[in-house]
Amino acid sequence: GQQLNQSPQSMFIQEGEDVSMNCTSSSIFNTWLWYKQDPGEGPVLLIALYKAGELTSNGRLTAQFGITRKDSFLNISASIPSDVGIYFCAGPYNNNDMRFGAGTRLTVKP
Amino acid sequence: KAGVTQTPRYLIKTRGQQVTLSCSPISGHRSVSWYQQTPGQGLQFLFEYFSETQRNKGNFPGRFSGRQFSNSRSEMNVSTLELGDSALYLCASKRAAGGLETQYFGPGTRLLVL
Repeated sequence: GQQLNQSPQSMFIQEGEDVSMNCTSSSIFNTWLWYKQDPGEGPVLLIALYKAGELTSNGRLTAQFGITRKDSFLNISASIPSDVGIYFCAGPYNNNDMRFGAGTRLTVKP
Repeated sequence: KAGVTQTPRYLIKTRGQQVTLSCSPISGHRSVSWYQQTPGQGLQFLFEYFSETQRNKGNFPGRFSGRQFSNSRSEMNVSTLELGDSALYLCASKRAAGGLETQYFGPGTRLLVL
């Protein structure tokens, strides 16, 4: 099935640094979603993007829906220890079943 | 508003057994989807139910089945368990079927098959 290619696979950063991760696909997606998952919990929706070129912020998080509709990125500014977790991009393939990227594991060193 | 709840949270079974997992969606949500999450394969879509009907199905064997009740609660069943079925099983609910609705995940049921 259609895969979402998410990178990087993991990141180790210092507290206070900015973070950027992205997701690409060979197919067009009409919605891009970014989730965060803490250990032992289900993914929590961070940002939803519905229009090509859309730039949306949620606190220190900013995400953009690529103009080609085949990519999206997520930025986290001024990282803090509680940002630790796995970040997933996701999108509905053919407006039906949700496809997920493999995740970016973020570690923040105090 | 209460979130998506899943029971049980943890489960240990042996090969060959069968298991039933339960999911209660957010109040007012009529669509429930199930996912399997493993370190090797990531998050994979199992199936989606809406108004008691299976609307969409992922690429899993027939040992994986589900159903939805009139109150939108859903159950997932796995028969003849295999070691490879060990995973975190997540359900997610949304107001309506279709990919454009935002879905919200429960905490998951962690299944260990010995």
